[in-house]
Amino acid sequence: KAGVTQTPRYLIKTRGQQVTLSCSPISGHRSVSWYQQTPGQGLQFLFEYFSETQRNKGNFPGRFSGRQFSNSRSEMNVSTLELGDSALYLCASSLLWNEQFFGPGTRLTVL
Amino acid sequence: AQSVTQLDSQVPVFEEAPVELRCNYSSSVSVYLFWYVQYPNQGLQLLLKYLSGSTLVKGINGFEAEFNKSQTSFHLRKPSVHISDTAEYFCAVFLGDDKIIFGKGTRLHILP
Repeated sequence: KAGVTQTPRYLIKTRGQQVTLSCSPISGHRSVSWYQQTPGQGLQFLFEYFSETQRNKGNFPGRFSGRQFSNSRSEMNVSTLELGDSALYLCASSLLWNEQFFGPGTRLTVL
Repeated sequence: AQSVTQLDSQVPVFEEAPVELRCNYSSSVSVYLFWYVQYPNQGLQLLLKYLSGSTLVKGINGFEAEFNKSQTSFHLRKPSVHISDTAEYFCAVFLGDDKIIFGKGTRLHILP
């Protein structure tokens, strides 16, 4: 069974631009969560989608948004990028609440 | 507020020596606890989890953890580490409503 895939793996943007990251969950998994990982803050929860509905949201500004499609694939979008948005963005899918499977992440660098 | 504290940001240990990575949590609800490992340039992989039952939980790669409710701890141990265990380890608490919070991670450095 294929694991969680994230595209692209690396991305370089400049301040003010916007970016869209993609996540394909494990087949059959309907829940997709997004996390931001930085050296200073560690892993921070962004939001979680289940069956195309956002179920939970972390404490991030409205510049961070997401969506989920009917095939469970998910995208997250960051508008008006800031230097502080440079991070590794991780996606995780789950079938059951007690085990998340993580993708390799997208490393975003904002210049 | 619920939180997870990993007391050591970095732990150096000699190869074949034992290691303990510490994790304390605070939660006002029933806890479900996890340890994840992140190898360089990879996502997180589940090592083990405590949901209920025996407080000693065995995971992959020879790791185990013990849930101690009175001390609100869930320390991770391995009796003999290998160079391949070099990674960052994250303790996490499931809070319900599909919310999980992670500790800030502990980098395990294996010394030859």
